[in-house]
Amino acid sequence: SQQGEEDPQALSIQEGENATMNCSYKTSINNLQWYRQNSGRGLVHLILIRSNEREKHSGRLRVTLDTSKKSSSLLITASRAADTASYFCATVFTGGGNKLTFGTGTQLKVEL
Amino acid sequence: NAGVTQTPKFQVLKTGQSMTLQCAQDMNHNSMYWYRQDPGMGLRLIYYSASEGTTDKGEVPNGYNVSRLNKREFSLRLESAAPSQTSVYFCASSEGGQIGKLFFGSGTQLSVL
Repeated sequence: SQQGEEDPQALSIQEGENATMNCSYKTSINNLQWYRQNSGRGLVHLILIRSNEREKHSGRLRVTLDTSKKSSSLLITASRAADTASYFCATVFTGGGNKLTFGTGTQLKVEL
Repeated sequence: NAGVTQTPKFQVLKTGQSMTLQCAQDMNHNSMYWYRQDPGMGLRLIYYSASEGTTDKGEVPNGYNVSRLNKREFSLRLESAAPSQTSVYFCASSEGGQIGKLFFGSGTQLSVL
């Protein structure tokens, strides 16, 4: 079964607005990562947050992690049309070895 | 800056045929992975190799075999293709150890008729 599940499944916003995607997982983790996938392409790593961290920033990206709720959120500020893509959370769960388990993703569409 | 290279990019097979998907990385990474991506299912791990000389099953290994040929190359073989194996296959690599970020290839779109 999938370790992470993203919410919403699809999101459509206007350019300049903020986009928030959420990820929930089931068991304790070592770290959680977010990836972006443009249509027809491979996945690209965006940001990694460790289990002992609560918030991380990278450019227009802000990731939070709440291990008590087993959830994470990805915020993209001042979105651009080029941010249109699918976004996936992925987890390394404790005791899971050297494996990364992906969620089902959120499809983001940023309209001009 | 090749990164992770997968071949072929597209393939059509008939049920029962066999084929090998090739993957090579030039980043001197220890760990390599094969995932499949199906609509609405996200990515599911087929097999991985934590280091040269080792391979382990992932979430959906049935119908597949892998070979870690050397540190650079990790191949995925379908011995007798089935329509259920129609999917997009991604190879990825990472430095290994306490897992960090994965670097992905551009994928192989496989159709089994």
